[in-house]
Amino acid sequence: GAGVSQTPSNKVTEKGKYVELRCDPISGHTALYWYRQSLGQGPEFLIYFQGTGAADDSGLPNDRFFAVRPEGSVSTLKIQRTERGDSAVYLCASSPGGGGYTEAFFGQGTRLTVV
Amino acid sequence: AQSVTQPDIHITVSEGASLELRCNYSYGATPYLFWYVQSPGQGLQLLLKYFSGDTLVQGIKGFEAEFKRSQSSFNLRKPSVHWSDAAEYFCAVMERQAGTALIFGKGTTLSVSS
Repeated sequence: GAGVSQTPSNKVTEKGKYVELRCDPISGHTALYWYRQSLGQGPEFLIYFQGTGAADDSGLPNDRFFAVRPEGSVSTLKIQRTERGDSAVYLCASSPGGGGYTEAFFGQGTRLTVV
Repeated sequence: AQSVTQPDIHITVSEGASLELRCNYSYGATPYLFWYVQSPGQGLQLLLKYFSGDTLVQGIKGFEAEFKRSQSSFNLRKPSVHWSDAAEYFCAVMERQAGTALIFGKGTTLSVSS
């Protein structure tokens, strides 16, 4: 597709449930980022992939959060035992990667609501 | 600790008036600097960026920003605001090495009055 695609656009889940959020990056982009944006806040970094590997997962808040990118394209953010505090918009971005700076393009996000 | 501060949570400007949104950063070395805009229902869009060289950078939609090293600031400006500029604006920084993530400020909401 032309841009970064995130599905679903909205997700409502009950406290304690497991959720998966999907990110389909721009074709050919090797770098992929996940961010979380809580109400009234700026996006907060969660994890960065270069290819299939997580190059930096220092932003994941705890071990309930996990992300994969098995084939170096689509990525899935997984949240176990969801809590009401996990409610936020989860943003994905991709960039061409490689050496030096390359511009990151953002998807429209998945709004997660934990009730 | 590294941080990005946007002191103004909400600003209202009359259509046609000038705009300045403030951004200060605290970093060990001068990072890459960015401004993003987020409109309702839209993804984050890059307005402009500063890496080096001329400290006044031009971006899309008529925006510009000035880097001031002595003040650790990167303020966003527009000479004449349009109603369509109403949105959330985020200042962001990135370390000067490959593969690092953007660190965002908390954002400034811009409202435009007629």
